[in-house]
Amino acid sequence: EVQLLESGGGLVQPGGSLRLSCVASGFTFSDFATSWVRQAPGKGLEWVSMIFGSGYGTYYADSVKGRFTISRDNSKNTLYLQMNSLRAEDTAVYYCAKQEGQLMGNYCFDYWGQGALVTVSS
Amino acid sequence: QSVLTQPPSVSGAPGQRVTISCTGSSSNIGAGYDVHWYKQLPGAAPKLLIYGNNNRPSGVPDRFSGSKSGTSASLAITGLQAEDEADYYCQSSDSNLSGWVFGGGTKLTVL
Repeated sequence: EVQLLESGGGLVQPGGSLRLSCVASGFTFSDFATSWVRQAPGKGLEWVSMIFGSGYGTYYADSVKGRFTISRDNSKNTLYLQMNSLRAEDTAVYYCAKQEGQLMGNYCFDYWGQGALVTVSS
Repeated sequence: QSVLTQPPSVSGAPGQRVTISCTGSSSNIGAGYDVHWYKQLPGAAPKLLIYGNNNRPSGVPDRFSGSKSGTSASLAITGLQAEDEADYYCQSSDSNLSGWVFGGGTKLTVL
């Protein structure tokens, strides 16, 4: 059974930093691209960042480019999101999601974690 | 403002058929990228409902179907049931943004 378990969320002041983790199980972690997707309170879904299974190749939404860094440790089946220079508008539930598909442009998100709440407030 | 446009809400009575539209542009759906659909219950993570425009993952009832034409896609739900009440999101890729995009979401109410 595929499982994704996020941790590391919490309350942080504007300008601060936070690192999210997502531990995967039930599949060969290094074989699949994985993303972070966030959802602000009462709002829709927003893709944040993606990293290929090998760890080589990353993509970011313009809203987080230069502030967030995605990485993975395949020996630990763990995905990370380092978030710096946090802003109030980064407040959201952050989901890690496994991606599936033959071509990158056709990737879907076939499994999701339960989410980690990040609140940016003074 | 989402890159993919969905109606904010739709409703239907039990047993009826409803459709949810997802309108994009030439840089995403119209560029030939697949459309996928997700169902999200309150307080829960999204769940994949339709992938590759019209394919259902194992366990998803055949009451759910997807279609795509031009720069738009649709999700159809037949035989509406109370447990279908949820938020539904479409998703594709966008060549201009070099990433994955979602619709703004549609709240389905079963009357």
